[in-house]
Amino acid sequence: DIQMTQSPSTLSASVGDRVTITCRASRSISIWLAWYQQKPGKAPKLLIYKTSSLETGVPSRFSGSGSGTDFTLTISSLQPDDFATYYCQHYDTYSWTFGQGTKVEIK
Amino acid sequence: QVQLQESGPGLVKASQTLSLTCSVSGGSISSDTYYWSWIRQHPGKGLEWIGFIYYSGSTYYKASLKSRLTISLDTSKNQFSLNLSSVTAADTAVYFCARGVRRGYHFDYWGQGILVTV
Repeated sequence: DIQMTQSPSTLSASVGDRVTITCRASRSISIWLAWYQQKPGKAPKLLIYKTSSLETGVPSRFSGSGSGTDFTLTISSLQPDDFATYYCQHYDTYSWTFGQGTKVEIK
Repeated sequence: QVQLQESGPGLVKASQTLSLTCSVSGGSISSDTYYWSWIRQHPGKGLEWIGFIYYSGSTYYKASLKSRLTISLDTSKNQFSLNLSSVTAADTAVYFCARGVRRGYHFDYWGQGILVTV
């Protein structure tokens, strides 16, 4: 099975900072990589799908990129509403795998 | 607007069967565009996909749960359900139902989640 490893596990940042979260696969994967934001007590919210496609209604400060084994979620200018936990998710042959999550905290 | 809503008992005794239902509104569960999935989250932990059902009734389960897991579809009620047998404390988690998009393989709508304690 493909393992998805996110880094860092925790990130301390300030409003206005540019933030990058990395998701590394244990082997080269396809483009079916998505990113979610989760706040405490809430369901995850889809941000990015197919590596770099922005979900409708998601602010343009969120972007995704990558290929092969390395994928990134970038928040261009961190806003107060963005403090949350972020997960990457990969699909491969009827199986979905999530990364362990990256918590973005207020610095 | 598509909405998903989980329902079921919040407390299940060890060795018994955990049964949850996801009611879907704002869209048909009979669409061939989506996978109807269950995902769980152990307390304070990450997300774990556990299985899905397609409109045709085809199912796929996480390998480690396959022997205990059944997901079914009720198109007349626009619902799908999860049954997890022989539960232990390790099955204590928040269970989410979610709509998986066939062209993209991501989850675009989620229920709010239901905490099930074993």
